[in-house]
Amino acid sequence: RKEVEQDPGPFNVPEGATVAFNCTYSNSASQSFFWYRQDCRKEPKLLMSVYSSGNEDGRFTAQLNRASQYISLLIRDSKLSDSATYLCVVNSPAGNMLTFGGGTRLMVKP
Amino acid sequence: EPEVTQTPSHQVTQMGQEVILRCVPISNHLYFYWYRQILGQKVEFLVSFYNNEISEKSEIFDDQFSVERPDGSNFTLKIRSTKLEDSAMYFCASTGDLQETQYFGPGTRLLVL
Repeated sequence: RKEVEQDPGPFNVPEGATVAFNCTYSNSASQSFFWYRQDCRKEPKLLMSVYSSGNEDGRFTAQLNRASQYISLLIRDSKLSDSATYLCVVNSPAGNMLTFGGGTRLMVKP
Repeated sequence: EPEVTQTPSHQVTQMGQEVILRCVPISNHLYFYWYRQILGQKVEFLVSFYNNEISEKSEIFDDQFSVERPDGSNFTLKIRSTKLEDSAMYFCASTGDLQETQYFGPGTRLLVL
């Protein structure tokens, strides 16, 4: 089983749509979880950390299910500028190594 | 807003040559990392560094690779004898505490010919 697994997409959605991405991870001892965004040929940039209680930042909502080892990201009211690759990222139990999923590509069309 | 910087942005080298990639982490951060991303593939961990020593390294980080913090601000990755398969984007990252967000630099695109 891959350490961090994501559907590669692409997800093609119209502006204003709601889109959900999912991710599973294999190491049950992992302590911290993140969604990063990566634009073409650029560095990963933090979108949000993910907490067991769920957290929301504007149009973005992240959820963590530790029992199922499952992480989700919901984007509401998609904008053209949301077009990017979304990376599910898990920190090692020791906190010194990020493991990245392969990314889910989102394309928002007018 | 403080940010991680990296130089050069692009590097072209011949196979077998040594390259040094440079990073300036965020000033009050204590933990430093190198990752790489081969074109079209996922981001992969190379090495983590804390208190002037390596704290974790991946299988990719073999004897051809080394890291150093030569002064209070720079953090370098050296590849002693580059191979074609070392062609990738190399990202430096830093954080103030374990389990906290790692902030990435803009990357160095290395092309080995």
